[in-house]
Amino acid sequence: DAGVIQSPRHEVTEMGQEVTLRCKPISGHNSLFWYRQTMMRGLELLIYFNNNVPIDDSGMPEDRFSAKMPNASFSTLKIQPSEPRDSAVYFCASRSLSGTGTSGSTLNTGELFFGEGSRLTVL
Amino acid sequence: AQKITQTQPGMFVQEKEAVTLDCTYDTSDPSYGLFWYKQPSSGEMIFLIYQGSYDQQNATEGRYSLNFQKARKSANLVISASQLGDSAMYFCAMREFDAGANNLFFGTGTRLTVIP
Repeated sequence: DAGVIQSPRHEVTEMGQEVTLRCKPISGHNSLFWYRQTMMRGLELLIYFNNNVPIDDSGMPEDRFSAKMPNASFSTLKIQPSEPRDSAVYFCASRSLSGTGTSGSTLNTGELFFGEGSRLTVL
Repeated sequence: AQKITQTQPGMFVQEKEAVTLDCTYDTSDPSYGLFWYKQPSSGEMIFLIYQGSYDQQNATEGRYSLNFQKARKSANLVISASQLGDSAMYFCAMREFDAGANNLFFGTGTRLTVIP
C-alpha cells in the first residue's frame, strides 16, 4: 500500500521565490496535517484539515504561508515569498478520523502516518 | 507550558542492552493517547507504540514497551536488546481526545546512539 507521498523530496531555492510543496495522503484518510521540523523548534504543527476543510491554522507562521486541500487526495503548502528562515523539513501526515489505528484499540488511536518529508533550503 | 517534555537530548546504550527514554506530559484532559515515533537518519517518521490513558496495561510492541505511570504523567519508552539499527531520534507525542484536538503534540526528541 502506498503511504503518504510528498514532493519534492528536496528543494533549494533563492530568497523571494515561491515554493510549493505537495502531499498525497493515504487513500481513505480524511485528516491531513502539515508539520515543520527544525533543529531549533523541533516538530511544529502548521495546519491540519478534516475532510478537506482547514480546522486549525494557528501554527502557520505568517501570511507568506498558505495551504490548500482541493480534494481528498491532494494538498499543497505554499510559501511566497520564501525566506532563509523557512529552511526546514516539511512533513505531511494523514490519518483516518474513524476506525482503529494499527494498535488495534477500539478507540481511534489517532496515530499519524508521515510522508518522507520535503527538505527545503532557502538561500 | 510544554505538553510533552523529553529531558534527554542524547542517550548512549551498549548493543544488546536495554535503554529507557524519558517522556513526561501535561494535560488536564482525562482521555488522551501517548505515542512514540522513531526518526532514523533517513528522515522518515516511524510509529512505534501507543498507550491510551485508560489502558490498564502497559503497551508492548516487540522490543518496545511503554512504562506508563499515570500519576506521575510519564510515558517512558523502553527498548530491550538494543540493536545498531535502533540508533535514531525518538519522539514522544500526545493527543488529547476530549479536547477534540486532532493533532499530535511532539516533544523535542532524544537522540539514541547504540554502541557496538
